[in-house]
Amino acid sequence: KNQVEQSPQSLIILEGKNCTLQCNYTVSPFSNLRWYKQDTGRGPVSLTIMTFSENTKSNGRYTATLDADTKQSSLHITASQLSDSASYICVVTPSSGGSYIPTFGRGTSLIVHP
Amino acid sequence: GAGVSQTPSNKVTEKGKYVELRCDPISGHTALYWYRQSLGQGPEFLIYFQGTGAADDSGLPNDRFFAVRPEGSVSTLKIQRTERGDSAVYLCASSTSGDRGEGYTFGSGTRLTVV
Repeated sequence: KNQVEQSPQSLIILEGKNCTLQCNYTVSPFSNLRWYKQDTGRGPVSLTIMTFSENTKSNGRYTATLDADTKQSSLHITASQLSDSASYICVVTPSSGGSYIPTFGRGTSLIVHP
Repeated sequence: GAGVSQTPSNKVTEKGKYVELRCDPISGHTALYWYRQSLGQGPEFLIYFQGTGAADDSGLPNDRFFAVRPEGSVSTLKIQRTERGDSAVYLCASSTSGDRGEGYTFGSGTRLTVV
C-alpha cells in the first residue's frame, strides 16, 4: 500500500529561524512529489513539484530536496515569517498502473511565534 | 475561471438529510478529484474523473456517496442519509490530464457539518 509519512507532526519555532520538515514515502515508481502549504480554512496551495530525477527545487524561502534512492524528501524553510504558520503536506503521485491518484501525508503543523 | 471554485463554503445539515456539494474546476482541466479532509489529517481521496467518467471511485466510503460530472466540467458530490461522521472539509482539485501537469489546483473546500 502506498504510504507517505511526515515528521514532525507539529513544530513551533520563533520568527526568523529556519526549519526542516521531513517526508518518507513508499510510492514507487512515482511521477512527482509535491509539497503543499495549507492555511487554516483554505485549500492546499502548491509550493514545489519535483520529478524523480530532480534533487532540489526552490520557491522563494522554501527549498525542497528529494532522495529517490532512500525515498525521502524534505522541505526547508528559511528565515521563517509569521505567515508561514500553516500545515505543510507532502504528496506523492504514482506513475504506474494508469492511475495517477496522489497519496497524501497527514501534514506537519507549523506555528511561527513572534 | 481563474481557480477551482467550491460551493457552498460551509454547509450545516441534520443527520439523515441529503446534501450536494459543487465543484467548478479550472476551465480546460479534464481531470477532477474529490477529497475529504478531517481535522488534523491530510486529504483522503474519494473519486477521480477524467472528462465525464469516473476513472477511479475506489475512495468513496460507501454507497451513500456519489459524484457526477455530466458535461466534463462542473462536478457535484452527493451524500445521502448524512451521518455525523461525514462531517469534514470536502476538497476538490482539478488538473490537466492525468496529473502529469503543473496545474494541479485545489479549491478552498466545503466545510460540511452534520448535526
